Amino acid sequence: GAVVSQHPSWVICKSGTSVKIECRSLDFQATTMFWYRQFPKQSLMLMATSNEGSKATYEQGVEKDKFLINHASLTLSTLTVTSAHPEDSSFYICSARDGAGIQPQHFGDGTRLSIL
Amino acid sequence: GENVEQHPSTLSVQEGDSAVIKCTYSDSASNYFPWYKQELGKRPQLIIDIRSNVGEKKDQRIAVTLNKTAKHFSLHITETQPEDSAVYFCAASIEGGGADGLTFGKGTHLIIQP
Repeated sequence: GAVVSQHPSWVICKSGTSVKIECRSLDFQATTMFWYRQFPKQSLMLMATSNEGSKATYEQGVEKDKFLINHASLTLSTLTVTSAHPEDSSFYICSARDGAGIQPQHFGDGTRLSIL
Repeated sequence: GENVEQHPSTLSVQEGDSAVIKCTYSDSASNYFPWYKQELGKRPQLIIDIRSNVGEKKDQRIAVTLNKTAKHFSLHITETQPEDSAVYFCAASIEGGGADGLTFGKGTHLIIQP
């Protein structure tokens, strides 16, 4: 149980393109999902907290107009990297938890984004 | 906000020996402390977690200890095996709060020498 699916797993695109990443909870309802970014050989950094039916909460230093988050249902959150540039290249991982404020978080497989 | 420090950054041990990774946190309100194992290019996998109302938790070869007063927690792996080689991350959060995203340590690359 507690499976989180993330799609796509790998994206290569040109600078200026917008890229959408989907995060789905397959066997549970996730009122809250989280988006993290991980640069090579570094730790995971929380970007934003996504709550179903409301606006996402962004961490300090993360541009909300650059990283658009939509959590329209209890099983799906999307992250759109708008007008992506090479410095946005990274490993993006979502996670979800299935209880009201109860951990643990279950992670997706991640999306490797490469901007040329 | 929360700050989690993790040491060492790299740890090499002989197969069969024990490995210990240590973390400290800054926010005394944090009450949930998970440990994740991540292999290259893959998702972090939860291996054990502990809450602040408990001082120690064990699951077979893996154990975690928590000292709330000192604000540090440690991961202990006994009888290490080659498949234990990976990057391990500690994390902290406030469970039940409105913002319970995880703050991760920088990671420890554990190398098990055959």
